[in-house]
Amino acid sequence: AQRVTQPEKLLSVFKGAPVELKCNYSYSGSPELFWYVQYSRQRLQLLLRHISRESIKGFTADLNKGETSFHLKKPFAQEEDSAMYYCALSGIQGAQKLVFGQGTRLTINP
Amino acid sequence: KAGVTQTPRYLIKTRGQQVTLSCSPISGHRSVSWYQQTPGQGLQFLFEYFSETQRNKGNFPGRFSGRQFSNSRSEMNVSTLELGDSALYLCASSLGSASYGYTFGSGTRLTVV
Repeated sequence: AQRVTQPEKLLSVFKGAPVELKCNYSYSGSPELFWYVQYSRQRLQLLLRHISRESIKGFTADLNKGETSFHLKKPFAQEEDSAMYYCALSGIQGAQKLVFGQGTRLTINP
Repeated sequence: KAGVTQTPRYLIKTRGQQVTLSCSPISGHRSVSWYQQTPGQGLQFLFEYFSETQRNKGNFPGRFSGRQFSNSRSEMNVSTLELGDSALYLCASSLGSASYGYTFGSGTRLTVV
């Protein structure tokens, strides 16, 4: 079965410190992976896609097929990064759906 | 451009009743998906429509159904409501593929009493 695991429900770091949100997936084919973010009182929104290899708001994520991981990283955390982050998997056998992880609540302390 | 619009924002229904939720996608987006979000199960896929056809369906009972109209607007219906159906129902639209990423609405908060 396809599965996305985010091992940390809560993550708290200080402003200026590096951030890494972990995401592991279970899928035998070639996955498409995403990070979605939900800021307080805002809608769930796309942060980045692995296929575009982009950096958004200073965040990057590299797909590691050997370790089946797609960790989200930022070298220097900012207070506005506090939010709920969801890793998601798609492209499962052509199905147009997302399988989400349980999410990690990131808190940046001043 | 206008975002994904979901109506109503809040609903309170009684067990056994049925409910219809509405979603208007971003103009030009032909794919509409529905997700259920609960504290215990997280975000779970319900179904996806493209050009009025259901392309994918999640593992939900037949009480959950949906449809899409020619203008890409979508509705989902839940019949014979159960207490466990209380959740935030999110609609998301896309140009046509999950690869583009989805744009989500604010959701409809359904409470079943």
